[in-house]
Amino acid sequence: DTAVSQTPKYLVTQMGNDKSIKCEQNLGHDTMYWYKQDSKKFLKIMFSYNNKELIINETVPNRFSPKSPDKAHLNLHINSLELGDSAVYFCASSQDTGIQETQYFGPGTRLLVL
Amino acid sequence: AQSVTQPDIHITVSEGASLELRCNYSYGATPYLFWYVQSPGQGLQLLLKYFSGDTLVQGIKGFEAEFKRSQSSFNLRKPSVHWSDAAEYFCAMHSGGYQKVTFGIGTKLQVIP
Repeated sequence: DTAVSQTPKYLVTQMGNDKSIKCEQNLGHDTMYWYKQDSKKFLKIMFSYNNKELIINETVPNRFSPKSPDKAHLNLHINSLELGDSAVYFCASSQDTGIQETQYFGPGTRLLVL
Repeated sequence: AQSVTQPDIHITVSEGASLELRCNYSYGATPYLFWYVQSPGQGLQLLLKYFSGDTLVQGIKGFEAEFKRSQSSFNLRKPSVHWSDAAEYFCAMHSGGYQKVTFGIGTKLQVIP
């Protein structure tokens, strides 16, 4: 079984559309994250949730709204998609927020906005 | 400000040759350092990590890394590279609260026969 899974794996959509990416972890972890990897492969954290509570919210446009219905899920909804949103989005999880905790990454969702 | 620098964006080595990927960090205290590998079309997989203690850490797939405080470095090494090691390698630093992670820009490793 995949530890951290994301759906869909690929997403191609038009500018202005609204889309969601789902993430699920079956590791029993308390903390989940969303990262954005741009075309230059630079990885940057977007959000972090611990026990369904938002704890990190980097400078991300408010068109991006994470939702955590339970500890095992962290979904990312994007409104009014823009060309610059094209990237690979990675979900990750860790046991808790301890600085020494290892983060486990999902396979990524490749978003292309046309 | 904290940062992670990977000076080499792209490295090519011959199969069987030794490998060293460089990583430098900037942080006011002792950081927690990680190396991840990303194979094409895949997510990131943890290779190894350093928190404290022995400055030479062993990881999976035959990789090791050495933490050198005096040089603010955490270089990744492998004595003999295999073709399957071709991937992108990311150095990362955990610092501050709530798992604030800073990634380097990555080093793409190409392995030639």
